[in-house]
Amino acid sequence: AQSVTQLGSHVSVSEGALVLLRCNYSSSVPPYLFWYVQYPNQGLQLLLKYTSAATLVKGINGFEAEFKKSETSFHLTKPSAHMSDAAEYFCAVSDQNTGGFKTIFGAGTRLFVKA
Amino acid sequence: DAGVIQSPRHEVTEMGQEVTLRCKPISGHNSLFWYRQTMMRGLELLIYFNNNVPIDDSGMPEDRFSAKMPNASFSTLKIQPSEPRDSAVYFCASSYLDRTDTQYFGPGTRLTVL
Repeated sequence: AQSVTQLGSHVSVSEGALVLLRCNYSSSVPPYLFWYVQYPNQGLQLLLKYTSAATLVKGINGFEAEFKKSETSFHLTKPSAHMSDAAEYFCAVSDQNTGGFKTIFGAGTRLFVKA
Repeated sequence: DAGVIQSPRHEVTEMGQEVTLRCKPISGHNSLFWYRQTMMRGLELLIYFNNNVPIDDSGMPEDRFSAKMPNASFSTLKIQPSEPRDSAVYFCASSYLDRTDTQYFGPGTRLTVL
C-alpha cells in the first residue's frame, strides 16, 4: 500500500524567506502525489498534483513541488513566504484498492510565518 | 458550482444523544469521503463511497458510527449514541472515480459532545 511521511509537524519561517516542506512517499506503483492546504476553520483545498507528466509541478499561490523518484520525495517549496501562507499543509498519495481509489494523507505540517 | 455542502456547521449535543451530519457532494462526482479531524489523531478517513456503494469502512471507529448514501446527491454520517471522545471536525469530500482526481472538501461540521 502507498503511504506518505511528512518531516516536521511544525515549520517556522520569516516573511520573505524560502518555504520548504518535506514529503517522502512509499509506493509499489508509479505514484500520483498531491499537496493540499488547510487554512484555519476551513476544509482542505488542492495546491498542486503530480500525475506523471512534468516532474516540476507548479501550483497556486506561488508554490511548486518537484517529484524525485530516486529520492522518493515530493517536497513543497515557495521562494518567498507571505503572512497569508500560514496554514497546515498535507502531502497525499493516491491509493488503489478493490472498488476504487482513495487518498492517503500525511500527518500534516503547520507553517508559521513571522513578520 | 456551490461546492460540497455540509450541515450543520456546528453541533453541540449531550452524551448519549444521536447526531446526524449531512453532506451534499458536487454534482457529477461519483466518490464521496467522510473524514474526522482532531488535534490528537489528525485527519482520519472514516468511510468512502463509489457510485453510492460503501467501498471501505475500515476507518469507522465502532458500531456507534454509521454512514449512508441513498443517492448521488446526499450522504449522512450518524453517531448513536454520541460520546465526548467523538468531539471533532467532520469533513465530507467528493471527487470523480479517478486516481488522479482532486478531492473537494466541504467546510466541515464542528461537533462538540458534552
